[in-house]
Amino acid sequence: QVQLQESGPGLVKPSETLSLTCTVSAGSITHNYWSWIRQPPGKGLELIGYIYYSGSTNYNPSLTGRVTISVDTSKNQFSLKLTSVTAADTALYYCARIKPEQWLVLDFWGQGTLVTVSS
Amino acid sequence: DIQMTQSPSTLSASVGDRVTITCRASQSVSDWLAWYQHKPGNAPKLLIYKASSLESGVPSRFSGSGSGTEFTLTISSLQPDDFATYYCQQYHTFLYTFGQGTKLEIK
Repeated sequence: QVQLQESGPGLVKPSETLSLTCTVSAGSITHNYWSWIRQPPGKGLELIGYIYYSGSTNYNPSLTGRVTISVDTSKNQFSLKLTSVTAADTALYYCARIKPEQWLVLDFWGQGTLVTVSS
Repeated sequence: DIQMTQSPSTLSASVGDRVTITCRASQSVSDWLAWYQHKPGNAPKLLIYKASSLESGVPSRFSGSGSGTEFTLTISSLQPDDFATYYCQQYHTFLYTFGQGTKLEIK
């Protein structure tokens, strides 16, 4: 079955850019939608945004202007960039696949990666 | 944004118990509601989508019901593997949102 694995720095300084990559294995990134979700410590899950393999995106309006999600089909990866981070961006970041034919249901998730924003 | 509220926040139960978790939406989401199970350090797992459709491979002791603004997840007979945190998710709008989670603990 499809597997997802997040990777990237676990520590980012305030005002810098958070960059994460999600590698998809045992499945193709093509013809699917992919999503990033985060969970700040002690808080609930929050949509960051999602991308189609062709590159079209949708972002949470609360993050618009700071977030970019991109896809690299040759590497079977999609990525997240979040600029001008603050302590409020400290969270467990997950990538997930949107279930085909069930729009916005997340059928496969990564284990998550903790990103701490601190100087 | 559509707000999702789960109750209870924590639930203590024993193996073999029947348990029900409730999820309420701040406005109607029709039946665009999913449930996930999450254990620390693991990937969240899809259990139910479209309010009552069981995801492939999920044991039949899990069931979902409801529509509009009120939904329930029921586990008919708790197994040791079921102790985890459960989240509901509405996907009625492109800005999908989650409940705050219900932690199911061993009594």
